[in-house]
Amino acid sequence: DAGVIQSPRHEVTEMGQEVTLRCKPISGHDYLFWYRQTMMRGLELLIYFNNNVPIDDSGMPEDRFSAKMPNASFSTLKIQPSEPRDSAVYFCASSLTLGTGSGYTFGSGTRLTVV
Amino acid sequence: AQSVTQPDIHITVSEGASLELRCNYSYGATPYLFWYVQSPGQGLQLLLKYFSGDTLVQGIKGFEAEFKRSQSSFNLRKPSVHWSDAAEYFCAGGTSYGKLTFGQGTILTVHP
Repeated sequence: DAGVIQSPRHEVTEMGQEVTLRCKPISGHDYLFWYRQTMMRGLELLIYFNNNVPIDDSGMPEDRFSAKMPNASFSTLKIQPSEPRDSAVYFCASSLTLGTGSGYTFGSGTRLTVV
Repeated sequence: AQSVTQPDIHITVSEGASLELRCNYSYGATPYLFWYVQSPGQGLQLLLKYFSGDTLVQGIKGFEAEFKRSQSSFNLRKPSVHWSDAAEYFCAGGTSYGKLTFGQGTILTVHP
């Protein structure tokens, strides 16, 4: 398996623009997680899905953020409109179970810069 | 509340020296515990995990961690650090029914 695949690796956009981050989880993993990492706040869980259904989105900072998982092999995190304070590294992770014995497998992340 | 705490934000060691990174947890029952490593520009990679049984667990890259219930700790150790070990290390805890909780991370700098 190729692991969790995220695209793009880097994204630079202007304030006010829409940004879409993409994730392909490991095949067979029922859980998908979106995290944001910043120097100030560390690693934050934004939202997670179980079998393509959003379960907990309490970490989504505000209505400008939305996430979807239209099928088991694809998820998106969208920011519209983007703001400079959204600059961060966004990670996608997947797992067989929630309370998992195998831990989470992370993608390489998308480094977002909003100017 | 369930939590994982890494008391050290930044640690510096010399190459060849021993290493211990601290992790404390707060859970009602014994949690699953993990250590992850994040190299610059990369995602988090699982180093090792503890569920039950032997309290000393071995991981990849020569790392080990010891679960100590009496101290609510799960410290990561390596006998001799290599320059390539410079990275950020995350401790995480979870239960059989809940999502993982990550610590704030410890940045390791290795001096030649």
